[in-house]
Amino acid sequence: IVLTQSPGTLSLSPGERATLSCRASQSVSGNYLAWYQQKPGQAPRLLVYGGSLRATAIPDRFSGGGSGTEFTLTINRLEPEDFAVYYCQQYGSPPYTFGQGTKLEI
Amino acid sequence: EVQLVESGGGLVKPGGSLRLSCAASGFTFSSYTMNWVRQAPGKGPEWVSSISTTNTFIYYLDSVKGRFTISRDNAKNSLYLQMNSLRAEDTGVYYCARAAAGLGVWGQGTLVTVSS
Repeated sequence: IVLTQSPGTLSLSPGERATLSCRASQSVSGNYLAWYQQKPGQAPRLLVYGGSLRATAIPDRFSGGGSGTEFTLTINRLEPEDFAVYYCQQYGSPPYTFGQGTKLEI
Repeated sequence: EVQLVESGGGLVKPGGSLRLSCAASGFTFSSYTMNWVRQAPGKGPEWVSSISTTNTFIYYLDSVKGRFTISRDNAKNSLYLQMNSLRAEDTGVYYCARAAAGLGVWGQGTLVTVSS
């Protein structure tokens, strides 16, 4: 399954809302779609799993949605620490592919 | 504290071999499917391989099939990745990651550089 993320880069300001898209080339089995945040020099951090369920300790300004082949990650009221690269990943059928990423920049 | 610590990376010539290890602590290692994920310099993560709790299900990225072997030792709380016939395109940081509805726990990664 090929995951295509858009946009490639998103330029916003703190306090604004970010909407990131992840489109799958075929339906994601069981809605097994996760979102990760990665900052330079760090491992990715799980934000959302199962398409819409927030991982432990993730603030409620992060929300995931969608099903089938179309998924979104919405970040409300952007904080300075939210500016990073975001990846989606499907873990429903191997190989468990990642999208190419969306860079959220100030 | 839940922790994964990778080791075994380094510089190797094309065609060479390396064995990566991942030591787990702070959780019941034998209860979780484990994964290897790599990231080439300046690129996004790429899933490499997955192994279920009792080795029943093992999967590989097509480009590493026949060259890489994932294994685990539940008694030692350890995950391994044997990498043979290494190529330049295998260069990157290799992470081990715990699977439970997404990859919720990651190690700090170990760098593998394949170059002559």
